[in-house]
Amino acid sequence: EVQLVESGGGLVQPGRSLRLSCAGSGFTFDDYAMHWVRQAPGKGLEWVSYISGNSAKTGYADSVKGRFTISRDNAKNSLSLQMNSLRADDTALYYCVKGTIAVAGERFDSWGQGTLVTVSS
Amino acid sequence: SYELTQPPSVSVSPGQTASITCSGDKLGDRYAYWYQQKPDQSPVLVIYQDTKRPSGIPERFSGSNSGNTATLTISGTQAMDEADYYCQAWASSTGFFGGGTKLTVL
Repeated sequence: EVQLVESGGGLVQPGRSLRLSCAGSGFTFDDYAMHWVRQAPGKGLEWVSYISGNSAKTGYADSVKGRFTISRDNAKNSLSLQMNSLRADDTALYYCVKGTIAVAGERFDSWGQGTLVTVSS
Repeated sequence: SYELTQPPSVSVSPGQTASITCSGDKLGDRYAYWYQQKPDQSPVLVIYQDTKRPSGIPERFSGSNSGNTATLTISGTQAMDEADYYCQAWASSTGFFGGGTKLTVL
């Protein structure tokens, strides 16, 4: 059974940084692209970023480009999202999401429970 | 950037057919995906590659995609289908979601 467990969320002041992590299990981690998708309170889903299975390719939403960095450690079956220069509109539940191919461009077939990031002074 | 537009809400009576649309420029040239999200739960994939159902998704869920519009159809809608539904597509290796549609079964 695929399991994705996020951690690292919390309350952070505007302009500060935060690092999210996701531990994956139940599948061959480096065979699949991994994504972050977020959902602001009471709002819809927003795709944030992806990283290919071998880390060669990454992609970002315009809203986070230049501020967020995605990375993965396949030896540890872990995914990370380094979030810098955080803003109030980054407040959201951040989901770790598994793709079904090694690169972007296909469906999301497994989602974690999410970790909540609140940006506020 | 690529914009996907969904109606904010759709209502349907139990046993009837619900249709949720998703509009985007030449969306029919891309694959459309549909996710269901119930309150306080993570999203679940219900349709992929326009028309395919993942294992475990009931046959009453179907999809189509042509021109500028993808459609999620739920036949014989049940109370348990009440949820938010999101369409999703890719453009230049960037993911985009529609704004979501709240399906009410009443």
